[in-house]
Amino acid sequence: ELKVEQNPLFLSMQEGKNYTIYCNYSTTSDRLYWYRQDPGKSLESLFVLLSNGAVKQEGRLMASLDTKARLSTLHITAAVHDLSATYFCAVDIGGTDKLIFGTGTRLQVFP
Amino acid sequence: DAGVIQSPRHEVTEMGQEVTLRCKPISGHDYLFWYRQTMMRGLELLIYFNNNVPIDDSGMPEDRFSAKMPNASFSTLKIQPSEPRDSAVYFCASSPLDRSYSYGYTFGSGTRLTVV
Repeated sequence: ELKVEQNPLFLSMQEGKNYTIYCNYSTTSDRLYWYRQDPGKSLESLFVLLSNGAVKQEGRLMASLDTKARLSTLHITAAVHDLSATYFCAVDIGGTDKLIFGTGTRLQVFP
Repeated sequence: DAGVIQSPRHEVTEMGQEVTLRCKPISGHDYLFWYRQTMMRGLELLIYFNNNVPIDDSGMPEDRFSAKMPNASFSTLKIQPSEPRDSAVYFCASSPLDRSYSYGYTFGSGTRLTVV
């Protein structure tokens, strides 16, 4: 059974600080996605990582993928309050087209 | 494009009643997915379609749940009879065949279902 685990589950951080969210998955996959969800809202696509070693950056967020370690990271640089949300990683299971989501990381950035 | 459109946004129904959730995918997308989100179980894939054909329904929790996609622009998820434990947010998502050049999966706004 495929497992997609994120840690931490909850993250409270001060503005201006850096932190990393980790996403581990238990099966072979070459595609990994990061989504953001604000309370009561839908899921917004942030990054698509398509190969081993892929790195993408958008503003204060940077995502990377290591398919050999089955690990993806989402790094937050100099956090601001607007980044407060829940972040999900999701793994595209090769050969099945199924997208399986991680447990989510609830991020709260305070002044 | 208006994105993935779901209706209704909110649904409150009594236990035992039939509930129908609707989804219009993005035009041209080949895949359609139904997800359920709860605090306890997170985001669960219920069923997905490729070119209107159900491919995997292993996530459908019980026979009370059924989904159809009669054409490329419309899908329904039906619960009959509904139970309080079905209360959740149900998301529909669609994606093109080739997800490498885009953001892949686009989600609708969701339907918040409350069964009392």
